[in-house]
Amino acid sequence: EAQVTQNPRYLITVTGKKLTVTCSQNMNHEYMSWYRQDPGLGLRQIYYSMNVEVTDKGDVPEGYKVSRKEKRNFPLILESPSPNQTSLYFCASSFFRGTEAFFGQGTRLTVV
Amino acid sequence: GENVEQHPSTLSVQEGDSAVIKCTYSDSASNYFPWYKQELGKRPQLIIDIRSNVGEKKDQRIAVTLNKTAKHFSLHITETQPEDSAVYFCAASIGAITGGGNKLTFGTGTQLKVEL
Repeated sequence: EAQVTQNPRYLITVTGKKLTVTCSQNMNHEYMSWYRQDPGLGLRQIYYSMNVEVTDKGDVPEGYKVSRKEKRNFPLILESPSPNQTSLYFCASSFFRGTEAFFGQGTRLTVV
Repeated sequence: GENVEQHPSTLSVQEGDSAVIKCTYSDSASNYFPWYKQELGKRPQLIIDIRSNVGEKKDQRIAVTLNKTAKHFSLHITETQPEDSAVYFCAASIGAITGGGNKLTFGTGTQLKVEL
């Protein structure tokens, strides 16, 4: 089954404790991205990747890191999480930009 | 960069009525305009998209129109049903054919409620 898989689905952590949210797709998509969803603000892009080893900042990259060492994986790293990073996070992939984006199940992160 | 505005933020209609959601975009180079539906607690899913070389596209009860000159596009849902209740997001990006920015920029969403 074609899918985008994120883990974990729920995460509660403390300020400053490094965490990684994993994202994996099995559709051989070139384009992957991370979004955060906050009430009233819609989906805002954090980082995107056009292919292996090619990443770029989205609209709200501060406090986040990403890597794309393999085509299928695109982890989101929070080196020192802060409470303002409490949000619902979605990973998405598409064959290329300008084509349908497939979203993961979402990760609800709470930073206390 | 691209800026997408979406209106209204909430929309309540009676079952069977039509619903219209409108979006405007700022970057004239944008040429791909998808619409996503997000049911409560679920992930966004594509329901329809349109490219800048066409002015209208239909899929059963759903249609999207695009006015490139005015830089706005709209989602039309006819004969609404309770299962249409969800949050709808418009988005804009530059597609694969042209160069430039690669971001998919979303609107802030419309909460559609279809009442019985």
